[in-house]
Amino acid sequence: DTAVSQTPKYLVTQMGNDKSIKCEQNLGHDTMYWYKQDSKKFLKIMFSYNNKELIINETVPNRFSPKSPDKAHLNLHINSLELGDSAVYFCASSLGLEETQYFGPGTRLLVL
Amino acid sequence: GQQLNQSPQSMFIQEGEDVSMNCTSSSIFNTWLWYKQDPGEGPVLLIALYKAGELTSNGRLTAQFGITRKDSFLNISASIPSDVGIYFCAGQVGAGGGADGLTFGKGTHLIIQP
Repeated sequence: DTAVSQTPKYLVTQMGNDKSIKCEQNLGHDTMYWYKQDSKKFLKIMFSYNNKELIINETVPNRFSPKSPDKAHLNLHINSLELGDSAVYFCASSLGLEETQYFGPGTRLLVL
Repeated sequence: GQQLNQSPQSMFIQEGEDVSMNCTSSSIFNTWLWYKQDPGEGPVLLIALYKAGELTSNGRLTAQFGITRKDSFLNISASIPSDVGIYFCAGQVGAGGGADGLTFGKGTHLIIQP
């Protein structure tokens, strides 16, 4: 039983395209997050959502937009993809704002 | 923004050896977490520390929350091949990992030679 799942696992696309990454958690958590891991393995928070409300946006370009259709899902939509967007994107969730975060398996995005 | 300095960057050890890695911060965190990432997978939580001075064990792993709240260490005793991976420290200003997200160290790559 997968607690935090992401699709697709791999995504290869051309510059300028628009793409979405999906995340689902079956833990009943209230808060979900998106992190970006670069080629040097550095992990950085992008967004978090609590009860469908965006809480933080850490200097992420507005080409990135998180969308949460319900508490169990937080999707990441990226417009006009650029080469520098190539990275591994991780979704995470926590029971609440004061609880430990659990990570999904990641989506490996390659922009050509 | 806040930064975490994690060291060493990589470790090459023999199976059975003990391992020690640490993280320091220029600012205070109220929560310290240690994660492990295997190739092709997401980070998996190993140990969470919520109180300054706290020493917590999880099997062969032991971690401590520094008394100044600006540092933490992780020890692995009697390493085994499956310990191979990248270990990340993470700090959280909130009490448990909430809205402000986690600040990660740059990771320690652990490589074990049989």
